[in-house]
Amino acid sequence: EVQLVESGGGLVQPGGSLRLSCAASGFTVSSNYMSWVRQAPGKGLEWVSVIYSGGSTYYADSVKGRFTISRDNSKNTLYLQMNSLRAEDTAVYYCAGADYFDYWGQGTLVTVSS
Amino acid sequence: QSALTQPASVSGSPGQSITISCTGTSSDVGSYNLVSWYQQHPGKAPKLMIYEVSKRPSGVSNRFSGSKSGNTASLTISGLQAEDEADYYCCSYAGSSTFWVFGGGTKLTVL
Repeated sequence: EVQLVESGGGLVQPGGSLRLSCAASGFTVSSNYMSWVRQAPGKGLEWVSVIYSGGSTYYADSVKGRFTISRDNSKNTLYLQMNSLRAEDTAVYYCAGADYFDYWGQGTLVTVSS
Repeated sequence: QSALTQPASVSGSPGQSITISCTGTSSDVGSYNLVSWYQQHPGKAPKLMIYEVSKRPSGVSNRFSGSKSGNTASLTISGLQAEDEADYYCCSYAGSSTFWVFGGGTKLTVL
């Protein structure tokens, strides 16, 4: 059974940083597309970033230059380093695995507020 | 404002069929057969229901079907059941600079 478990969310001040983690089991992070998708409170889904099996990374314009996606193959874990956070980054962040976001974690809430 | 346009809400009675539309442009829905649909119950993670316009993942009921015509994709749910009440989101690949775009979501109410 595939399980994706996010962690690392919390309250952070504008301009601050946070690193999210997504630990996978029953699923190999390095062999699959892995994405981060976020959902602002009461709003829809927004794709944030993807890392391909070959290591290429891509970002939504809204986070480009501020967020970095990476993975640790030995830990089978996906990361999202978020810098220069803004109020509009407040959302539940989901990691999603495979080509069509086949598998999702339970999400971790990031709140950017002073 | 979401890149793909969905109706805010639809409703139907148990046993009936409903269709949710998802309108994009020639840069996303119209260019790629890479439309997917997700079901999300309150407080839960999204669940993949349809991929590549009309394919169902293993375990998804055949009451769910997808189609596409031009720049508009559609999700049809037949034989509505109370458990189908949820939010539904469409998603399309939009090329190698934008990547993935979602619709704003449609709230399905089973009357």
